[in-house]
Amino acid sequence: KNQVEQSPQSLIILEGKNCTLQCNYTVSPFSNLRWYKQDTGRGPVSLTIMTFSENTKSNGRYTATLDADTKQSSLHITASQLSDSASYICVGDNTNAGKSTFGDGTTLTVKP
Amino acid sequence: EAGVAQSPRYKIIEKRQSVAFWCNPISGHATLYWYQQILGQGPKLLIQFQNNGVVDDSQLPKDRFSAERLKGVDSTLKIQPAKLEDSAVYLCASSLVSGVYEQYFGPGTRLTVT
Repeated sequence: KNQVEQSPQSLIILEGKNCTLQCNYTVSPFSNLRWYKQDTGRGPVSLTIMTFSENTKSNGRYTATLDADTKQSSLHITASQLSDSASYICVGDNTNAGKSTFGDGTTLTVKP
Repeated sequence: EAGVAQSPRYKIIEKRQSVAFWCNPISGHATLYWYQQILGQGPKLLIQFQNNGVVDDSQLPKDRFSAERLKGVDSTLKIQPAKLEDSAVYLCASSLVSGVYEQYFGPGTRLTVT
């Protein structure tokens, strides 16, 4: 069964600090790994999309890494801002079957 | 470019009542998705359309949920009759073509069933 596990479930950091969110996936066969940011009361917004052959991808202060051997991905946020407070969702894709598996997200709170 | 539009944004109904949600995808996007997101969980795919045909509805509770995408553009999702466990946010997303995983999400409709 395809699964995406995210950790931690929630995280509180101070403004200006860095943080790293984890995503472990068992999606087979694996094609892509996506990260989304979902603000409260809004729909998810894409941060990064990585194919299985990519190791890292950046989007401003967000950097995602992918290790297809260990089936792990991480999202690193640098110099956090209050506006980074949101839920971050990891998604594993199996393009062969046209199936995607969503994680339950990590809720990040950035405090001043 | 205009994003994915959804309405209503909020809806409160009593159990056993019916409800319908509307979605207008980004212009030119052939693929449309409906997701159910229960509080504290990730989105769960209910149904995927490619133009006006159904690609995947394996997780759609067909005894009470129905969806259509007339003319391959707008889509409606209906629940009849609603149950308490249907309380969730219903997200609509679209992508240019099926298999392209750059999905654009609407703001969602928050449904509360009392």
